[in-house]
Amino acid sequence: DQQVKQNSPSLSVQEGRISILNCDYTNSMFDYFLWYKKYPAEGPTFLISISSIKDKNEDGRFTVFLNKSAKHLSLHIVPSQPGDSAVYFCAASYSGGSNYKLTFGKGTLLTVNP
Amino acid sequence: DVKVTQSSRYLVKRTGEKVFLECVQDMDHENMFWYRQDPGLGLRLIYFSYDVKMKEKGDIPEGYSVSREKKERFSLILESASTNQTSMYLCASTSQGARGYTFGSGTRLTVV
Repeated sequence: DQQVKQNSPSLSVQEGRISILNCDYTNSMFDYFLWYKKYPAEGPTFLISISSIKDKNEDGRFTVFLNKSAKHLSLHIVPSQPGDSAVYFCAASYSGGSNYKLTFGKGTLLTVNP
Repeated sequence: DVKVTQSSRYLVKRTGEKVFLECVQDMDHENMFWYRQDPGLGLRLIYFSYDVKMKEKGDIPEGYSVSREKKERFSLILESASTNQTSMYLCASTSQGARGYTFGSGTRLTVV
């Protein structure tokens, strides 16, 4: 049972335009969400996170939006740059129990074309 | 910055060999994890450990074991390597109460 879903395996956008990566979750206990970015032959690196008490978090070109009622979050990258081309993983966790344990989606490959 | 170091970037092993993948973190983190990444399957948790000598199975533990004799080191063992264990292996760590991981650079294992 996949609790975190990234339904688009890949996304291609033009440099300078907006990239929108989507993530859906099924477990209503999740209260913290993260995005990781991964280049080939490297480990994932943390990009941005959001707590369930917020509906938006912004860091430079990256903004994450959370819609709790829809159990949906999205990552917006504006403007997109060729260096943003990577696999993006959505992850979720919840307080209590093993709150350090993340559940990951399968990832979305973003390609930004010059 | 927290550093998670995986001993090898690339490994080629033969079917049936016993394989050791080593991971060391330098920030006194309690929790350590082993994942494998495969195209279309994302990151799948193999094993994790929340303390020295403690371990728990993840989603795909079959064919693997782990060892955590010291807090900073978490080893993944492939008892008898098979070709379906060809993959990118990722180690991660986090402190108790933290909400995100720090990953190592990964080990690309090829079993021939």
